Amino acid sequence: GENVEQHPSTLSVQEGDSAVIKCTYSDSASNYFPWYKQELGKRPQLIIDIRSNVGEKKDQRIAVTLNKTAKHFSLHITETQPEDSAVYFCAASPLNPYALNFGKGTSLLVTP
Amino acid sequence: KAGVTQTPRYLIKTRGQQVTLSCSPISGHRSVSWYQQTPGQGLQFLFEYFSETQRNKGNFPGRFSGRQFSNSRSEMNVSTLELGDSALYLCASSMGQGTGELFFGEGSRLTVL
Repeated sequence: GENVEQHPSTLSVQEGDSAVIKCTYSDSASNYFPWYKQELGKRPQLIIDIRSNVGEKKDQRIAVTLNKTAKHFSLHITETQPEDSAVYFCAASPLNPYALNFGKGTSLLVTP
Repeated sequence: KAGVTQTPRYLIKTRGQQVTLSCSPISGHRSVSWYQQTPGQGLQFLFEYFSETQRNKGNFPGRFSGRQFSNSRSEMNVSTLELGDSALYLCASSMGQGTGELFFGEGSRLTVL
């Protein structure tokens, strides 16, 4: 089955800096790659996603890049703010976008 | 529009017992998926239902089962509970076709003693 590795497990940046989280996947059939943000004590929420026919997608301060050849994708957050502090999960899906294989998460801390 | 509702929110069971968790999806959503969240393993996919049919199943033992009713509400059951089943069980609903966005509930936190 699909295996998603996520790095780093924790990340601390200063407000205004950029943050990058990287994920690799094993199943070349995976074609859908979402990112979810989970604030402490709250439910995960989709922040951005990308499909395998697109190499990059941007939404304001957040961008995701996908390298299908290398089977890795990354989340980039620019101009980080304290409210960006949360756990971020990457995921991949080879068949069904509702049956996701998640990475183990990255705990991002943005310090003022 | 009401969000995804999960009941109960918290429960404590002992080893060997069984438990049933319930999930009411967002109105109009036909897909319900279940995930187990633990500190060490993150979010792990259990199964997904669409129009009362299980479309996908994760790598969990047969003690974990689920079903979906005609009104899209879903239940999951864990039999013969083990200590390692202690986790937050998250339900997510979606339209089931097209967009892949999952809308998660707040979860049911199960503690097995």
